Amino acid sequence: QVHLVESGGGVAQPGRSLRLSCAASGFTFSSYAMHWVRQAPGKGLEWVAVISYDGSNKYYADSVKGRFTISRDNFKNTLYLQMNSLRPEDTAVYYCARDPSRIVVVTSTFDYWGQGTVVTVPS
Amino acid sequence: SYVLTQPPSVSVAPGKTARITCGGNNFGSKSVHWYQQKPGQAPVLVIYFDSDRPSGIPERFSGSNSGNTATLTISRVEVGDEADYYCQVWDVTRGVFGGGTKLTVL
Repeated sequence: QVHLVESGGGVAQPGRSLRLSCAASGFTFSSYAMHWVRQAPGKGLEWVAVISYDGSNKYYADSVKGRFTISRDNFKNTLYLQMNSLRPEDTAVYYCARDPSRIVVVTSTFDYWGQGTVVTVPS
Repeated sequence: SYVLTQPPSVSVAPGKTARITCGGNNFGSKSVHWYQQKPGQAPVLVIYFDSDRPSGIPERFSGSNSGNTATLTISRVEVGDEADYYCQVWDVTRGVFGGGTKLTVL
């Protein structure tokens, strides 16, 4: 069964950095695109970033472009999100999610989700 | 930027049918996906590619997409269906979610 476990969340002061990890198991990690999605307290879902199965293509939401970097290690079956220059508005639960496709396509969706890791950036 | 519009809330009595809409431009060129999120839990995919249902999702959940509106329909609503529901599409190089609809089972 597909299992995604996020880690690395915590409290970070504005302007500082955090790196999130997502450990994947139960499927061939290297065959799937992967996403990060976040949810601010009491708010809706916000897509953050995606990386193709081999890491060759990456896309970001405008709100994080230039500050966040998505990456993956297919040998370690792990997805990462390097978050720099953190802002209070980055406070959220961060989920990693699997895309059924290898690459980003017009039908991209999120078929499995982790339980999330909490990031807090105090104002 | 592409925008998806959902009603903030929908209420329905147990055993009745709930319909949650999602509005967007030029939906005909996009696939709409739906997620259910219960309090304190991660979202779960309930409908993908407009109307397909993942394994394990009850047949009571169905979807449609016509014109500029996609609809998630939940038949014979149960108390356990009470949750937030989000629609989602892919727009060129980014994912887009609707604002979410809170389904209340009266």
